[in-house]
Amino acid sequence: DAGITQSPRYKITETGRQVTLMCHQTWSHSYMFWYRQDLGHGLRLIYYSAAADITDKGEVPDGYVVSRSKTENFPLTLESATRSQTSVYFCASSGGTSGVPRETQYFGPGTRLLVL
Amino acid sequence: GDSVTQMEGPVTLSEEAFLTINCTYTATGYPSLFWYVQYPGEGLQLLLKATKADDKGSNKGFEATYRKETTSFHLEKGSVQVSDSAVYFCALTGDDKIIFGKGTRLHILP
Repeated sequence: DAGITQSPRYKITETGRQVTLMCHQTWSHSYMFWYRQDLGHGLRLIYYSAAADITDKGEVPDGYVVSRSKTENFPLTLESATRSQTSVYFCASSGGTSGVPRETQYFGPGTRLLVL
Repeated sequence: GDSVTQMEGPVTLSEEAFLTINCTYTATGYPSLFWYVQYPGEGLQLLLKATKADDKGSNKGFEATYRKETTSFHLEKGSVQVSDSAVYFCALTGDDKIIFGKGTRLHILP
């Protein structure tokens, strides 16, 4: 089925470990996004990508790394996980034209990450 | 800087009551405005949107009008149902910016 998927859906890890969250979309959307959702903060943008090999920082990029070698994939890596990175992570995609992310975003089901 | 402010929740209503969730924004330029809904355990999904002043977005009985003069995009529904219980997010997007409000949790009692 077409859509946007995230894996894993649940992850428990330990402080200091590297963790990669995967995101895959089948619409060939140009834009992809990573958000984290925390109580009291709502949804905060971590990184986004306007196209393959083009990425930009969002509001809270520290401690995260992204790459986008293919249009359909946008993995998010926590290089050395910290307890403060315990959160729910959402990936989204959008078919906005280059430079203007005005279109509707389509969200994945989320990954719930617990850092012990 | 640009921002989105929503009324804080939770909002609790009885079934068939009238709903308003306030959303105001500050932005330079001409943003597009959105309402997204998040049901328990799921990602956000688009509820409605408006791309220019005076546009009205509508879906599933919900409506919101893009009011540039009051910088508002309030969400309304005439008669809510238990199935409308969810978290609602107001958002704006524009040139190189994407901003979400903190969300408003809605509880509908049967």
